[in-house]
Amino acid sequence: DIQMTQSPSSVSAFVGDRVTITCRASEGIARWLSWYQQKPGKAPNLLIYAASSLQSGVPSRFSGSGSGTDFTLTISSLQAEDFATYYCQQANTLPPTFGGGTKVEIK
Amino acid sequence: EVQLVESGGGLVQLGGALRLSCAASGFAFSSYEMNWVRQAPGKGLEWVSYISSSGETKFSADSVKGRFTISRDNAKDSLYLQMNSLRAEDTAFYYCARGPLGGYPYYFDSWGQGTLVTVSS
Repeated sequence: DIQMTQSPSSVSAFVGDRVTITCRASEGIARWLSWYQQKPGKAPNLLIYAASSLQSGVPSRFSGSGSGTDFTLTISSLQAEDFATYYCQQANTLPPTFGGGTKVEIK
Repeated sequence: EVQLVESGGGLVQLGGALRLSCAASGFAFSSYEMNWVRQAPGKGLEWVSYISSSGETKFSADSVKGRFTISRDNAKDSLYLQMNSLRAEDTAFYYCARGPLGGYPYYFDSWGQGTLVTVSS
């Protein structure tokens, strides 16, 4: 199985800050990487697919980049509603596998 | 609006069985691949099972292979997960998750609210 490693596991930031989360795959996955946001008590919500494509309805302050094994999710200006846990997921090969998550907290 | 509503979770004894259901609406269910994804309380996400749009092709995680069976009824717009020989480590929220049209790549563009399965000794 392809292992997905996210860093950091948690980050504290102010509203308005730029936040970057990284995800590394144990082997190349081309651009088949997705990002999800999960708020407490809620289901995950797809933000980004194919490394950099914004899912419909997702604010443009979210962006993704990368290919191969190294990927990044960037929130350009953190808003109050963005405090949540973020997961990456490789979509290249079965079984689909997730990173361990990054919790974005209020500073 | 796409809606996925899971049901069937609850408290079950070690070694017992449970059948989860997911009712779909707001889209052409029979055209989409579907999945189950689980999350132990306070932990990360784990993909469980996949089924093709026709139901002919199925895949499951090694952790549930031989114990869990995914199925679907396209006439009823419903997805199922039959869980047998349940273990303590199966305790989790179980989410029904839609794959993209065409089935590949393997990401999940809509999720249900989840149903909690608790396996107790």
